[in-house]
Amino acid sequence: AQSVSQHNHHVILSEAASLELGCNYSYGGTVNLFWYVQYPGQHLQLLLKYFSGDPLVKGIKGFEAEFIKSKFSFNLRKPSVQWSDTAEYFCAVRRTGANNLFFGTGTRLTVIP
Amino acid sequence: ETGVTQSPTHLIKTRGQQVTLRCSSQSGHNTVSWYQQALGQGPQFIFQYYREEENGRGNFPPRFSGLQFPNYSSELNVNALELDDSALYLCASSLGGREYEQYFGPGTRLTVT
Repeated sequence: AQSVSQHNHHVILSEAASLELGCNYSYGGTVNLFWYVQYPGQHLQLLLKYFSGDPLVKGIKGFEAEFIKSKFSFNLRKPSVQWSDTAEYFCAVRRTGANNLFFGTGTRLTVIP
Repeated sequence: ETGVTQSPTHLIKTRGQQVTLRCSSQSGHNTVSWYQQALGQGPQFIFQYYREEENGRGNFPPRFSGLQFPNYSSELNVNALELDDSALYLCASSLGGREYEQYFGPGTRLTVT
């Protein structure tokens, strides 16, 4: 069965620290990859997505993610976090041709001013 | 552009009862997907509707059913509620053929006692 793993459940960082959130998936075929963010009290929003081409994808608010096919990974990064990045981050995978997204369990990021 | 809206915001039901949740898709979107997000988990796909027909279903029992209307709004119905049905129910809309670009609503928080 397809699964998406986010190994960090809760990450606490100080402002200006660098961020890397892990995401691994188990499906062996062609996939589309996504990172969503859920700010406190707000709905899920798309941060970035990967479909094909350059494995380094840039998203909104200075976030980027790198697709490493050999490792089945799609880790999210940001060089310098801000207090406003405090949120829950979800990695999601879609098998090519499928209608739905498979989500990981999420990583809660707390940024301390 | 009007975003995805859901009603009600919160709902409390008793075990065994039935519930109907509603979703209005983003302007121009003809596809609606429903997800269940239990506490501490990522969203799990329930089903998707496209042109008023079910267009894919996740691993949920038949007591979870849905409808899509000609204006593309949608309902999620859950019969014989169980305590484990307590969750945040998310609706996401997209355009047919671009199901990977899903825009999420704020969700309905269902509590079953």
